[in-house]
Formats: sequence, C-alpha cells, structure tokens
Amino acid sequence: KAGVTQTPRYLIKTRGQQVTLSCSPISGHRSVSWYQQTPGQGLQFLFEYFSETQRNKGNFPGRFSGRQFSNSRSEMNVSTLELGDSALYLCASSLGGGASAPTDTQYFGPGTRLTVL
Amino acid sequence: AQSVTQLDSHVSVSEGTPVLLRCNYSSSYSPSLFWYVQHPNKGLQLLLKYTSAATLVKGINGFEAEFKKSETSFHLTKPSAHMSDAAEYFCVVSDRGSSNTGKLIFGQGTTLQVKP
Repeated sequence: KAGVTQTPRYLIKTRGQQVTLSCSPISGHRSVSWYQQTPGQGLQFLFEYFSETQRNKGNFPGRFSGRQFSNSRSEMNVSTLELGDSALYLCASSLGGGASAPTDTQYFGPGTRLTVL
Repeated sequence: AQSVTQLDSHVSVSEGTPVLLRCNYSSSYSPSLFWYVQHPNKGLQLLLKYTSAATLVKGINGFEAEFKKSETSFHLTKPSAHMSDAAEYFCVVSDRGSSNTGKLIFGQGTTLQVKP
C-alpha cells in the first residue's frame, strides 16, 4: 500500500506570495491532518479534515487554510507569506472515524520544506 | 488539557548500551500515547502506541515503553542501541478534548546520539 505523499517536496517563495501544498493520504484513510515543524516551536497542529469537513483547527492565523476533496486528498494554503512561515509542513493520514479517532495511528508523509525569502 | 514533556532534549549513548528517553504526560482523559521517530530530512515514523490495553507496549526495532499512571510517565527504552537509532524522538499524546478528533500534541523532542 502506498504511503502518504506530499507535493512539492521543496518550495522557495518570497514574502507576500501565497503557496498551496498538497497531500494524498493512504488509500482508505478519510482523515488528513496538517502540522508545522520549526526549530523554535517544534511540531504544531494546524488543522484536521475528515470527510471534506474541517474537524479541528489549531491556533494559527487565518492566512492558513485548507480543504479536503471527495477522494480525501487535501490541500493547505498559506496567503501573504511571512518569513516566519518557513518550516517543514507535514501531513498525516488516518482512518479517522468516530470515537476511535484519538487512538488511530497517524501516518506521516515526508513533508514539504517551505522557505520564505 | 493534554500535554507531554520530554525531560531530555539530548541523550548520548554508546552503541550496544541501553537507551532511555523520558516522557511525562498530562491528560484529563485516559490518554492515548505515542512515540514517533524522525530521521534527518524524513517524515515521522510510528514506533509504538499505548491505548489503554497492556501497560508495557512493544514497538518496532526493539523499542518498548511502559505506561505508568501513578507517575504519569511513558518512557521509551531499548536494551541495546544501534548506530541507526540516531534520530529525533517525539513523545505524543492524542488530544481527545471535547470531541473525537485525531489532533496530536507533540513533546519538544529528544535527539538521540549513538557513539561508536
């Protein structure tokens, strides 16, 4: 079974631009979560989507948004990029259903390394 | 609210000696706890998870962890370190909150160095 894939793997943008990152979950997984990893703040939860609905959201500004498609693929968008948005963005997928969601294993992709100049 | 604290930011061991990575948790609910490993420039890989079954959890690559409710700890151990174990390790708790979601809360990470 193919793992979680993320595209692109590397991105370089300038301040003020916007960026879209893509995540394809493991086949059959309906939950997709996004995390930001930086040396200073560590790994922080951005948001989670399940069946095309945002189920949970972390403490990030509105410039960070996401969506999920009917095939469970997900995209996240960051508008008006700032230098501090430079990070590794990780996507994770899981089965995600109902009461078992907190115990589900989340499988992570390799990440997208975003550099903002 | 749920949280985890990894007690050491950096641990150094010699190859062939035991590994101990320490983690304490705080949770208002019966916690689901995980250990993930991240090798340089790679994503996160699950080592093991605890979900209220056996308190001693065995994972991949010879790692195991013991859930101790009285000590609110979930330390990761391995009897004999291998060079390939050098990586960053994250203790993670699932944030049940008031709804059933898959949000994970990560510790700050422990860098494991293995010396030949």
